[in-house]
Amino acid sequence: EDQVTQSPEALRLQEGESSSLNCSYTVSGLRGLFWYRQDPGKGPEFLFTLYSAGEEKEKERLKATLTKKESFLHITAPKPEDSATYLCAVQARRLQAGTALIFGKGTTLSVSS
Amino acid sequence: DSGVTQTPKHLITATGQRVTLRCSPRSGDLSVYWYQQSLDQGLQFLIQYYNGEERAKGNILERFSAQQFPDLHSELNLSSLELGDSALYLCASSVGEGNLGTQYFGPGTRLTVL
Repeated sequence: EDQVTQSPEALRLQEGESSSLNCSYTVSGLRGLFWYRQDPGKGPEFLFTLYSAGEEKEKERLKATLTKKESFLHITAPKPEDSATYLCAVQARRLQAGTALIFGKGTTLSVSS
Repeated sequence: DSGVTQTPKHLITATGQRVTLRCSPRSGDLSVYWYQQSLDQGLQFLIQYYNGEERAKGNILERFSAQQFPDLHSELNLSSLELGDSALYLCASSVGEGNLGTQYFGPGTRLTVL
């Protein structure tokens, strides 16, 4: 069964304190791995797509990496405005699943000044 | 702003009732997806439409149904509502069906069943 597990569930950081969020996955053929950011009461906001092991993508203070079993979202020198829930999702190759995303439960990040 | 619109933003109704949620995809996107987000289950895929046709089904209850219209907007119908149906219902759209197009999400409809 396709599965996505994110850790930790919650993370509290001081402003400027860098850290990483983990997303481990088991999927029958990975088509793509996606990172989203979600603020309370809003829809997920797209951050990155990673397609193959070794790939890296960066956007401002965020950097996403991918291996064959997991992905990391590195946050460098975070600011309070980075506080949000970060969701990881995978897209499998199973035709019956269409192109739906399988989501992890998310990591809720709180950054204090 | 993702370009995906959903109405209404909030919906409060009673058990046993029926509601319709609406989603308009981004301009040019042919695929529409419906997801349900609750505190205990997280984000769960319900159903996907591509250019008017059902493409895939996830954990969608028989009491729920959806359709995509010729103008590509989609509606999710929820009937015989139960307390446990209270959740944030999210719609997403992407350009294609078989490609790796990114899914962009709307703001969601918050459904509360009393």
